[in-house]
Amino acid sequence: EPEVTQTPSHQVTQMGQEVILRCVPISNHLYFYWYRQILGQKVEFLVSFYNNEISEKSEIFDDQFSVERPDGSNFTLKIRSTKLEDSAMYFCASSEGFEQFFGPGTRLTVL
Amino acid sequence: GESVGLHLPTLSVQEGDNSIINCAYSNSASDYFIWYKQESGKGPQFIIDIRSNMDKRQGQRVTVLLNKTVKHLSLQIAATQPGDSAVYFCAEKRDDYKLSFGAGTTVTVRA
Repeated sequence: EPEVTQTPSHQVTQMGQEVILRCVPISNHLYFYWYRQILGQKVEFLVSFYNNEISEKSEIFDDQFSVERPDGSNFTLKIRSTKLEDSAMYFCASSEGFEQFFGPGTRLTVL
Repeated sequence: GESVGLHLPTLSVQEGDNSIINCAYSNSASDYFIWYKQESGKGPQFIIDIRSNMDKRQGQRVTVLLNKTVKHLSLQIAATQPGDSAVYFCAEKRDDYKLSFGAGTTVTVRA
């Protein structure tokens, strides 16, 4: 069964450093998303991406965040200058229609 | 503010009993709802969905009920098994493809 994959599973970084989280969505899906989940809290929407552009973004997704689909398979989330409060699980999801399939997540720890 | 929420943060269920997990939403414009299951260290896993033009939908051992009058969504799990222990989230879609998640109910199955 096709699935969304994410790398790395765990990323530790120093505050102020740039990080890139990587995702490989399901191959025939056209819609891509990033969500985050701070420990013990609910999953929060960050951004959706369709047709090579951002279709919607939340208030969390400020100028420090960017997304890219550099080739036909990868979908990345970049945080330019990480802050302590960026520590969270980051989930990538993809969909063909309404049903979104989530990856296993990347745990980002900012020290 | 938060528009999707669950009534109880935790639910303890005897193995073999039925589980009912509740969710209240406030946005009457939401047209699609999903229940996700999240096991420790994993991403949300799709369980079942329902559109706003329906009031009930059944899957394998799961049933979702939607009451639009009181803006209430529930997930029923029949014959709860140890593998059902997880955090369950309801999520709603309002207009485009963004999902808004509730806070989650932790279900613990007692042997």
